Amino acid sequence: QSALTQPASVSGSPGQSITISCTGTSSDVGAYNYVSWYQQHPGKVPKLVIYDVNNRPSGVSHRFSGSKSGNTASLTISGLQAEDEADYYCSSYTTSNTLVFGTGTKVTVL
Amino acid sequence: EVQLLESGGGLVQPGGSLRLSCAASGFTFSNYAMNWVRQAPGKGLEWVSSISGSGGSPYYADSVKGRFTISRDNSKTMLWLQMNSLRADDTAVYFCAKVRYFDSSGYPSLVHLQDWGQGTLVTVSS
Repeated sequence: QSALTQPASVSGSPGQSITISCTGTSSDVGAYNYVSWYQQHPGKVPKLVIYDVNNRPSGVSHRFSGSKSGNTASLTISGLQAEDEADYYCSSYTTSNTLVFGTGTKVTVL
Repeated sequence: EVQLLESGGGLVQPGGSLRLSCAASGFTFSNYAMNWVRQAPGKGLEWVSSISGSGGSPYYADSVKGRFTISRDNSKTMLWLQMNSLRADDTAVYFCAKVRYFDSSGYPSLVHLQDWGQGTLVTVSS
């Protein structure tokens, strides 16, 4: 199972919006709505920020939103803040009863 | 408050074995599937294995199938990962993670990892 494809890096200025893409196949992202996004600050544990494509767990800022079209899922961070600087990973359930993560995206706040 | 505490990591020679443990508390352990996820130094996340709340339906990544075994004891609220025939590319921090939805919700046992432990480092080297 190959990792989902994400851009290596995305950057934006404070207050701007950025979008991170996550491209898979019809056997994972395109097959189910079981797409999650995780935020990981350096040296820290991953944190679930989006589940079921576009739902936020309690306590996660409304500035995080998710979507999906075909085999590609996306995470949008609006009103970018310094604290959003981190690595972000998507994940998807697959038709092989496995979980596949994305390659990861480093978000830099300029 | 959900707490997950991994232990058992360390330095092991190629071909050796190691057993990781994850002590869980703060939730009804038997109601939730549990997973192991690893992260090699400076690299991304890689899902390793999952097990349902009842202890059935284990699933494994192709990279560890036949070498690793996941298990749990609900009476002790413990999760384990037995790792055999270890290779250099198994070197990573290993996290245990609890899923968001309880077993009877109809969700697969390995989606939406809501709570994570701090991880334990496994180094495979001679």
